[in-house]
Amino acid sequence: TQLLEQSPQFLSIQEGENLTVYCNSSSVFSSLQWYRQEPGEGPVLLVTVVTGGEVKKLKRLTFQFGDARKDSSLHITAAQPGDTGLYLCAGELVYGNKLVFGAGTILRVKS
Amino acid sequence: NAGVTQTPKFQVLKTGQSMTLQCAQDMNHNSMYWYRQDPGMGLRLIYYSASEGTTDKGEVPNGYNVSRLNKREFSLRLESAAPSQTSVYFCASQPGTENYGYTFGSGTRLTVV
Repeated sequence: TQLLEQSPQFLSIQEGENLTVYCNSSSVFSSLQWYRQEPGEGPVLLVTVVTGGEVKKLKRLTFQFGDARKDSSLHITAAQPGDTGLYLCAGELVYGNKLVFGAGTILRVKS
Repeated sequence: NAGVTQTPKFQVLKTGQSMTLQCAQDMNHNSMYWYRQDPGMGLRLIYYSASEGTTDKGEVPNGYNVSRLNKREFSLRLESAAPSQTSVYFCASQPGTENYGYTFGSGTRLTVV
């Protein structure tokens, strides 16, 4: 059982559509991080959210941290083919200075 | 702008062989990590080093050993490789500050036959 449940596992959408990826846990995290990974490369940090209820925007991407710091979401508006990739959420445990990852969401945006 | 460098990029081992995966970072980070990535399972922590001179087990340490050689380098050793260790291995580093993102290397794809 994964500490962080990420959904959906796969998403195939048309260019211009909106989508949301969810990351849920029963544990409290000191921060929640989102990464994007392309084939043959390591994950690259997109954003870190720290405060319960925090919302951060990165162009067409909106990240939200749940009020109780147990869950997070990533919303992409008007998806583009360049958004295609593996999206990973990762929670930093309150004690221990280490990240636990969700299983990831494979996003494919078709033109 | 090297960041985190991992070697080798690809490796094929026979069951029972040993090898060391190398990782070096040039960002003066205190903390370093080894993860493995398997389909549908995300990244799982093998070992980590919160600071130079310390190492600790992660979620899946069995079959692995690590050495924090100095502040820059953190190596992962497989003493007797098994097919279950076929995976993609990622090294990452972080300044050692809470809530700071990780910088990952580009990975080592290991196949054990």
